[in-house]
Amino acid sequence: GAGVSQSPRYKVAKRGQDVALRCDPISGHVSLFWYQQALGQGPEFLTYFQNEAQLDKSGLPSDRFFAERPEGSVSTLKIQRTQQEDSAVYLCASSADTLQIANSNQPQHFGDGTRLSIL
Amino acid sequence: DAKTTQPPSMDCAEGRAANLPCNHSTISGNEYVYWYRQIHSQGPQYIIHGLKNNETNEMASLIITEDRKSSTLILPHATLRDTAVYYCIVRAGGTSYGKLTFGQGTILTVHP
Repeated sequence: GAGVSQSPRYKVAKRGQDVALRCDPISGHVSLFWYQQALGQGPEFLTYFQNEAQLDKSGLPSDRFFAERPEGSVSTLKIQRTQQEDSAVYLCASSADTLQIANSNQPQHFGDGTRLSIL
Repeated sequence: DAKTTQPPSMDCAEGRAANLPCNHSTISGNEYVYWYRQIHSQGPQYIIHGLKNNETNEMASLIITEDRKSSTLILPHATLRDTAVYYCIVRAGGTSYGKLTFGQGTILTVHP
């Protein structure tokens, strides 16, 4: 099925290294979200894209976190100079919602995430 | 987005209906009620959503009270594979892009 695909599924890095996490949304989905899920907690919003425009990055925890979606499809979440508190599952979701269609309210569909462990 | 309150855990016997409650007393007129579930090591799975009318799909039914301050997700015939964390989320409608605010959810355990 053509769901949201994330890679790698698992990533182990040493503290201080940079990492890049990839998200392939459902084809044609305009909206793309990144969430962070700590162990035993619900996912927390990081950032939102509509097409290639990053419209909300209020959830990014620090300036070490950077996300991009240059062609409006695949997105990459990059974390620079990783720290142990960055260890979490990073989830990507996409939806057909657009800001131009009021009350469209399409559900977000999630990938299975990347489990990041910082040693 | 309005906050939601869910019981931390519930049990259900296989084959019986599972009724998961959610309180959202501060919900506003344009906010939708969404339900997701998350099985261990997987991403959240969309189940159902509604505004004020009851909704049913192949997975579940959603019953929203008339004052919209609470709702119940019903899994009509629970199976062992329905064991998961269930999240009730209130999401802004209209032209909002609708980021999801997850709480702690309800851990539903279906037992034989």
